[in-house]
Amino acid sequence: QQQVKQSPQSLIVQKGGISIINCAYENTAFDYFPWYQQFPGKGPALLIAIRPDVSEKKEGRFTISFNKSAKQFSLHIMDSQPGDSATYFCAASSAGGTSYGKLTFGQGTILTVHP
Amino acid sequence: NAGVTQTPKFRVLKTGQSMTLLCAQDMNHEYMYWYRQDPGMGLRLIHYSVGEGTTAKGEVPDGYNVSRLKKQNFLLGLESAAPSQTSVYFCASSSLGTGIYEQYFGPGTRLTVT
Repeated sequence: QQQVKQSPQSLIVQKGGISIINCAYENTAFDYFPWYQQFPGKGPALLIAIRPDVSEKKEGRFTISFNKSAKQFSLHIMDSQPGDSATYFCAASSAGGTSYGKLTFGQGTILTVHP
Repeated sequence: NAGVTQTPKFRVLKTGQSMTLLCAQDMNHEYMYWYRQDPGMGLRLIHYSVGEGTTAKGEVPDGYNVSRLKKQNFLLGLESAAPSQTSVYFCASSSLGTGIYEQYFGPGTRLTVT
C-alpha cells in the first residue's frame, strides 16, 4: 500500500522554466513533509521540508505548497537550471511517539532540465 | 566527518548466497535505517534501529536481518539471497538532538542477485 503517491514519474523542463512535482498522502497522522533530492550514484539529501501549520515554505528557488484539506503538497522549482536535474522524492512522517522518524516516500520524479 | 558510509559499493551474488552490508556513521546519531530503492517504488524501509542493541521491522523486512551492536554501526544481512532482492540499498541516520526527521543517507550499495 503506497501511502504517498507522487507524480509525474518524469519531467522535462527548459532552463529558466518552472518545475512542479505533486504528492498526495492518505494518512492524516502525517505531520512532516520533506522533499529529498538525489543525484545519480548518490544517496538522497534533504532539500526542503514543511509542517502542516503553514501553507507554503520557500527556500531560494524551491517552494513547498501544502494543502491540508486536500492532503496534497507540491514542490515548485523556479528558474530551473540544468544542475537541478536529479530525482526528487517527497516523503511524509508523523510525530507520534513510536514513529521514530520513519519516512514514507513517494515513487520519485526524474527531473531533466534542458539548457 | 565522513557522515554515513556504506560497504561494499557493489556486489553480485548468486541465488542462495549470503552477505552482510555494513553501514557506519560518525555523527553520533541515535536512529539508523535501512532502505531499498527500486525503480518506480521510491525508497522502502526494511528495518530500523532507535539505539544500540535495538532493532525493529519496517515496511519490507522479509528476507533480511539486522543488528546494531555498536551505536555507530548498523548491519543488514541477507541469509539466502533471491533475485527479488536485486536493488540499491541505502542506509540513513538521524539524531534526536537536531530533529529526528532529517535523515542523512549513505552513498548506497548496488546489489545484483543472479
